[in-house]
Amino acid sequence: QVTLKESGPGILQPSHTLSLTCSFSGFSLSTYGMGVSWIRQPSGKGLEWLASIWWNGNTYNNPSLKSRLTVSKDTSNNQAFLKVTSVDTADTATYYCAHTRLRGWYFDFWGPGTMVTVSS
Amino acid sequence: QITLTQQAESLWISPGERVSITCRASQSLLYTDGKHYLSWYQQRPGQTTKALIYHASVRTDGVPTRFIGSGSGTEFTLSIEHVQPEDFAIYYCLQTLKSPFTFGSGTKLEIK
Repeated sequence: QVTLKESGPGILQPSHTLSLTCSFSGFSLSTYGMGVSWIRQPSGKGLEWLASIWWNGNTYNNPSLKSRLTVSKDTSNNQAFLKVTSVDTADTATYYCAHTRLRGWYFDFWGPGTMVTVSS
Repeated sequence: QITLTQQAESLWISPGERVSITCRASQSLLYTDGKHYLSWYQQRPGQTTKALIYHASVRTDGVPTRFIGSGSGTEFTLSIEHVQPEDFAIYYCLQTLKSPFTFGSGTKLEIK
């Protein structure tokens, strides 16, 4: 059974770096075809894909966030990470991680999300 | 980037009815492998987001057969037959043909 759970700071100040962790079970990020994606959703609004990391270390980032995103993984501890630099109030959202399959390229299991507020 | 348009922000229907939710892409989502990289998701309050359909028409494990994905090229539809009370939720389409992957704006299914 695949499960994922996001964790983060809850609140942080503008210009700071947001660090998020996705802890998962039921699959390994060293297994062929497995990946983890990050998606965010401002309150009451739609979904925005941010980044994906694959079993082989390949990463894809949403260019709309320019070079502010870094996604990484710790295979031995079943974790994936997302860093967003220079945050501002527009980064306030619920952040989700999702298991992603190479076969189908879809997000088949999602975490419950972690809410992040950027405020001074 | 590829834009996905879900024209209907809300749809009002009664339980037991059939409903169709449409998603239009700004370019074809057909890849050279013959598959469409379009998937559908359900969001309900207090629940994790659920994947319903991938490759435009393939139901994910455990999804009831009343959920039907169809379409090709740039036009896709999620149909729900005999809508159940637990189906009142927000539905999103997603394209993963080209990065950046993009979601539709969502369609909320509401009880009439």
